[in-house]
Amino acid sequence: ETGVTQTPRHLVMGMTNKKSLKCEQHLGHNAMYWYKQSAKKPLELMFVYNFKEQTENNSVPSRFSPECPNSSHLFLHLHTLQPEDSALYLCASSQESGDMNTEAFFGQGTRLTVV
Amino acid sequence: DAKTTQPTSMDCAEGRAANLPCNHSTISGNEYVYWYRQIHSQGPQYIIHGLKNNETNEMASLIITEDRKSSTLILPHATLRDTAVYYCIVAYFGNEKLTFGTGTRLTIIP
Repeated sequence: ETGVTQTPRHLVMGMTNKKSLKCEQHLGHNAMYWYKQSAKKPLELMFVYNFKEQTENNSVPSRFSPECPNSSHLFLHLHTLQPEDSALYLCASSQESGDMNTEAFFGQGTRLTVV
Repeated sequence: DAKTTQPTSMDCAEGRAANLPCNHSTISGNEYVYWYRQIHSQGPQYIIHGLKNNETNEMASLIITEDRKSSTLILPHATLRDTAVYYCIVAYFGNEKLTFGTGTRLTIIP
């Protein structure tokens, strides 16, 4: 248990569906991240939130829409996905504040299959 | 962030020390070396990080060469649960926007 919880653990959705992935951290961190891990490819950073503000969007298609209502919760809203979007989606959190920076803590991930 | 080069895969006998090398010849003076691992179907787990001095914690030791162009992660007594993909990453301190490569797939052999 890393203190970062992702739900659901597995999700199968059709290309016309709308679904959301949820991430929650109980570590008091101020930064949260979404990563994507496709089969046989390295983890790719998708989005970064710091103090609830999005600070990075790595050219992610608009069919992925992040939301960070507070520093403990992060969502990834999905709509009209493609089969190639099937992947493991990982959430992470860290503390970023000068000398108090911590390493990244990852959740267990959501295994997404788009059919 | 600088790039790293790691062997694709390695085997190690259970109970022996596992030594995982990493080359980072373009590392800049302010960049740290981080190691994470990912056990199958789980999220990555932080192991250790260092700047230029050798570091040790309850999980592993990190040996960084004097010129900082390479490093070695040492798992002193490998167990079957250490079977995972190990990632060597260089990044500025506090920059957790990590750039993962393909890592080294370490298999611990009974």
